[in-house]
Amino acid sequence: AQKITQTQPGMFVQEKEAVTLDCTYDTSDQSYGLFWYKQPSSGEMIFLIYQGSYDEQNATEGRYSLNFQKARKSANLVISASQLGDSAMYFCAIEAGGTSYGKLTFGQGTILTVHP
Amino acid sequence: GAVVSQHPSRVICKSGTSVKIECRSLDFQATTMFWYRQFPKQSLMLMATSNEGSKATYEQGVEKDKFLINHASLTLSTLTVTSAHPEDSSFYICSAREVGGGYGYTFGSGTRLTVV
Repeated sequence: AQKITQTQPGMFVQEKEAVTLDCTYDTSDQSYGLFWYKQPSSGEMIFLIYQGSYDEQNATEGRYSLNFQKARKSANLVISASQLGDSAMYFCAIEAGGTSYGKLTFGQGTILTVHP
Repeated sequence: GAVVSQHPSRVICKSGTSVKIECRSLDFQATTMFWYRQFPKQSLMLMATSNEGSKATYEQGVEKDKFLINHASLTLSTLTVTSAHPEDSSFYICSAREVGGGYGYTFGSGTRLTVV
């Protein structure tokens, strides 16, 4: 079974500053993928970034980067130059291989509030 | 990019009635779709995996007879909540992945079900 832990229920950041959202995971699979999604108040789930367990380099997508530390089983999301529109709930998720392919296990989420 | 359309976005129904939610991949074929449930301020929990042309696979604890899933075509999966009760009130959201379209799973916009 897979597990995602997000220990920050809420985070606050000043506009234009960087913020790190924590995510640790647990899985017995050697092959897995880690995802970050953004959920605004409207409810939609917006895909942000993906990191494969065999990827040696940290994933980056625009202002989003994933600080992947495999030995620590952590996959923190870094948002640079925060914008007011970044205020939302952020979920970390894991997809393991084998019969779990396609099934995402989500963490409890972190509510990010960006202050002007 | 891949788009998943979900309807309706909101529905209010009376206790004891059934509600059908549609999830449609607009510009790609999805042999597999996933249905999640989310309670307010909580995480997404996978309910079932919808497989085109075959029976859905339900997660442990999810009642098959209450949550009927039909995946009749490569672009459409439906979730029917039968004999709905107030405790079924929740946010339901589907997802699919476009083969060759990247790593991210695309989610529908979700359906907020209220049973009165």
